[in-house]
Amino acid sequence: QQQVKQSPQSLIVQKGGISIINCAYENTAFDYFPWYQQFPGKGPALLIAIRPDVSEKKEGRFTISFNKSAKQFSLHIMDSQPGDSATYFCAGIGGGGSNYKLTFGKGTLLTVNP
Amino acid sequence: EAGVAQSPRYKIIEKRQSVAFWCNPISGHATLYWYQQILGQGPKLLIQFQNNGVVDDSQLPKDRFSAERLKGVDSTLKIQPAKLEDSAVYLCASSAGGIQYFGAGTRLSVL
Repeated sequence: QQQVKQSPQSLIVQKGGISIINCAYENTAFDYFPWYQQFPGKGPALLIAIRPDVSEKKEGRFTISFNKSAKQFSLHIMDSQPGDSATYFCAGIGGGGSNYKLTFGKGTLLTVNP
Repeated sequence: EAGVAQSPRYKIIEKRQSVAFWCNPISGHATLYWYQQILGQGPKLLIQFQNNGVVDDSQLPKDRFSAERLKGVDSTLKIQPAKLEDSAVYLCASSAGGIQYFGAGTRLSVL
């Protein structure tokens, strides 16, 4: 059962363009939605995260839009740069207490051409 | 602050052999996770420790995988015997009850 569905699988954007990655979730017990960025040969690193009671969160060039009723959220990267080229994973966290179990999407390989 | 340390970075073995991975979490982090990341997929949780106790091992193939976290600090993940489908990157992560910080992983190739 794939609890977090992510699209597209890959994305090519020109420098300065907007990158948009979409995710949909099924588990309504999720109470935190992080995005991770992973460069080749490295582990995933937290990029930005949002709680379901907020519709949008912005940090620099990165923005999460969240639609609780549709159970969907998306990552927007404004003014995309070649250094943003990486794999991006959306995830949901649920369980509360000490069981912060991360459920990842399958990832989106972003390539930003110079 | 030092990050999550993992070793080795790469390992190549033949099927049916055994292999072990080591993880040293960020100092003070009580929670430790092992993930399996198959090429082209997101990480999948194998096991979660809280100090030296297991919180969740529901997705750990217990017939061949084992993990321990003695003294609540370092952890080892073992596979015995390995299968071809175990080829993946094994990631360790730690947290202090919130954000998970990942190590660089061990890339395992089973031939």
